[in-house]
Amino acid sequence: IAGITQAPTSQILAAGRRMTLRCTQDMRHNAMYWYRQDLGLGLRLIHYSNTAGTTGKGEVPDGYSVSRANTDDFPLTLASAVPSQTSVYFCASSEKFTGADTQYFGPGTRLTVL
Amino acid sequence: GQNIDQPTEMTATEGAIVQINCTYQTSGFNGLFWYQQHAGEAPTFLSYNVLDGLEEKGRFSSFLSRSKGYSYLLLKELQMKDSASYLCAVRDNDYKLSFGAGTTVTVRA
Repeated sequence: IAGITQAPTSQILAAGRRMTLRCTQDMRHNAMYWYRQDLGLGLRLIHYSNTAGTTGKGEVPDGYSVSRANTDDFPLTLASAVPSQTSVYFCASSEKFTGADTQYFGPGTRLTVL
Repeated sequence: GQNIDQPTEMTATEGAIVQINCTYQTSGFNGLFWYQQHAGEAPTFLSYNVLDGLEEKGRFSSFLSRSKGYSYLLLKELQMKDSASYLCAVRDNDYKLSFGAGTTVTVRA
């Protein structure tokens, strides 16, 4: 069982370009999340999805969009990348959105916007 | 907004005990999590507290006081592999997780 996979592992991107970060889980978890992690700020929630077909905004959603067409995939799109979006991006999933369910994290994508 | 505070860094000797404190002020409370994150890797789940008291899991224990907005993670019999960042996270009324900035623990021989 792979758990959660993310692609690419790292990427250098020119400002203004469009970029989609991929996230796939094989645990049949209902809820999925995207976080960014910046030095000194910790993990911050960008967007989340309670279940397939629904999405919600987290703490820092501006400049990002997500979709949840099926249970397994939760891509994050930067429509027009800016240098402030340079960060490490983690995708996570949990069996349910509520309750005591633990969130499991993917390996991360290191994104640099120049 | 959510406010979760934990020390930035701690250093301890192999075999010793270290206590990482976390204080929080959030819009509601639906549980507190501790995660471990080694450099360059993903966070991994350590513990979960929703009721007051101590939860013990091997060398790691976590304590919660909801009235004080306070938790700690206790690491006993420290090993070199325990050198990592430890993240405190609180689930709020909307069931979203807010994370502290993390505490980097360095274990010295």
